Amino acid sequence: QQQVRQSPQSLTVWEGETAILNCSYEDSTFDYFPWYWQFPRESPALLIAIRPVSNKKEDGRFTIFFNKREKKLSLHITDSQPGDSATYFCAARGTGGYKVVFGSGTRLLVSP
Amino acid sequence: EAAVTQSPRSKVAVTGGKVTLSCHQTNNHDYMYWYRQDTGHGLRLIHYSYVADSTEKGDIPDGYKASRPSQENFSLILELASLSQTAVYFCASSDRDNSAETLYFGSGTRLTVL
Repeated sequence: QQQVRQSPQSLTVWEGETAILNCSYEDSTFDYFPWYWQFPRESPALLIAIRPVSNKKEDGRFTIFFNKREKKLSLHITDSQPGDSATYFCAARGTGGYKVVFGSGTRLLVSP
Repeated sequence: EAAVTQSPRSKVAVTGGKVTLSCHQTNNHDYMYWYRQDTGHGLRLIHYSYVADSTEKGDIPDGYKASRPSQENFSLILELASLSQTAVYFCASSDRDNSAETLYFGSGTRLTVL
């Protein structure tokens, strides 16, 4: 079973719009939530991350909103650009501080 | 910059055959991971290791073995390859000092089992 769930599976937005990618988790011992992005034919790479002590983390056009009580988080991409088209993975760090599990990903397409 | 090298880049194997995927990192990282990527399933953790000569089962270990003979090397072994193991396999490493906050991935191995 997937410990980290993502929705939607795929998302298309127009250039300049805000894309919202959702993530939820079950395990309350998860203590760190990174988002990775993966471009076609490339490897995943870290984009942005948040710790549960915060409810928001911002880095340029990318913002994570975190709701610890509901075990949900979301990644907002404002002013989306065609170059943002990629698959986005929500991940979580758990047991022992080094086990990292990923969600199934959201494929984002930004149309010009 | 982090360097994780996987070999081979791609492989075609026959059902029932043995397959070994290799991973080598030059980052001096303690933690290493094997994930498989399938459409619709994202990245699923197969095995991981926090120190040489020790491995842990991930979420989908059945049908796979792992070996960590040194800090730099981490292998994934399919003793009896099956059609369902066709996938892209990624190795990753991470630093204990930052508690696995960043995983550095290799380029992946595309495995096709026929």
